[in-house]
Amino acid sequence: EAGVTQFPSHSVIEKGQTVTLRCDPISGHDNLYWYRRVMGKEIKFLLHFVKESKQDESGMPNNRFLAERTGGTYSTLKVQPAELEDSGVYFCASATGSGTGELFFGEGSRLTVL
Amino acid sequence: RKEVEQDPGPFNVPEGATVAFNCTYSNSASQSFFWYRQDCRKEPKLLMSVYSSGNEDGRFTAQLNRASQYISLLIRDSKLSDSATYLCVVPFSGGYNKLIFGAGTRLAVHP
Repeated sequence: EAGVTQFPSHSVIEKGQTVTLRCDPISGHDNLYWYRRVMGKEIKFLLHFVKESKQDESGMPNNRFLAERTGGTYSTLKVQPAELEDSGVYFCASATGSGTGELFFGEGSRLTVL
Repeated sequence: RKEVEQDPGPFNVPEGATVAFNCTYSNSASQSFFWYRQDCRKEPKLLMSVYSSGNEDGRFTAQLNRASQYISLLIRDSKLSDSATYLCVVPFSGGYNKLIFGAGTRLAVHP
């Protein structure tokens, strides 16, 4: 069974540009999460989808970040315009609805903003 | 005070050693706790869940002290393959899958 896949694995862009990260969750997982780890900091929650609906977006840093999950399958996270402090690793995770605390993470998309 | 705090690393131990990591959490209402393992430049993966006083899985033992609000992870008979970063994780109140991560403790096991 395929795990959570993320694309791209690494993106290098200049300040002010736009980047879109994609996540394909494990098939059948209604819950999809975005987390982020910036340099030297902890992994932090960004938002949570249940199917196509945003359940909780309290962790989104500001309105330069837009997440979508059309049709309740894959999700995208767009950063527009990117700033230097957005550099980090963006992890996507998916889970069933059982609430066991086990999230299945993708390998992450490393974003470098120059 | 951070919501989840862990021992600073790195821990450098020889193969076969026993090593223990501690983690403290600030929310006294937390009911469940997790240890995730993250290899270098890879994704975090669930290692153990702790719902009551503790949990044991082979060489790994997790213990919970609710009164002192700390969780520990004990690794016995360390293997080279245990080298990784160990993340202490606590759910936000009311949500099992919205997780608060500690900064992680790095373990390096050498021959």
